[in-house]
Amino acid sequence: DTGVSQNPRHKITKRGQNVTFRCDPISEHNRLYWYRQTLGQGPEFLTYFQNEAQLEKSRLLSDRFSAERPKGSFSTLEIQRTEQGDSAMYLCASSASSGTGELFFGEGSRLTVL
Amino acid sequence: KNQVEQSPQSLIILEGKNCTLQCNYTVSPFSNLRWYKQDTGRGPVSLTIMTFSENTKSNGRYTATLDADTKQSSLHITASQLSDSASYICVVSADNYGQNFVFGPGTRLSVLP
Repeated sequence: DTGVSQNPRHKITKRGQNVTFRCDPISEHNRLYWYRQTLGQGPEFLTYFQNEAQLEKSRLLSDRFSAERPKGSFSTLEIQRTEQGDSAMYLCASSASSGTGELFFGEGSRLTVL
Repeated sequence: KNQVEQSPQSLIILEGKNCTLQCNYTVSPFSNLRWYKQDTGRGPVSLTIMTFSENTKSNGRYTATLDADTKQSSLHITASQLSDSASYICVVSADNYGQNFVFGPGTRLSVLP
């Protein structure tokens, strides 16, 4: 068990560019979540996958954001036409479908939009 | 509106001292309350999880308490260490689905030598 892996850890981009983040969850976990966290705040839910199906999306997830989880393994989060307000830490978490639903978070991908 | 409030916003203590962090919530219905530790620039790590029927749970030097009647929880850290410097986030939910977790803003703890 190598934990949840996210990359890149840091991304600096210019406004208007597209960025993509990748998350590799714990292999036996079928639930995968994306959250966004800004300084001094707790994580905010963005979207949820059960296996390869995207079952829920937050209103925070504008049409510039898209997430996929092909084959129910790794997931990607793409932000198109980035804006300065997109600057944040993007956290991925996975959990098993049974038990307490404990979330195992990755180290996060920090996005800075200039 | 479901909310989780934490106090204080930040706290500075000396190494070896004890401290208590507070969490108040208005989440309803309520199923469980979790405390996470988040080091700067890292992802949160689970410390404890308590259901509505539990009123205390320990994890090493960390002890969480829960009063479901007053909708309050506390996290007590004993004999603090420099490595305890982090943000501590209280999370309340009605179920075990992460999309329904309500995260507090966290308390930033700094432990000084």
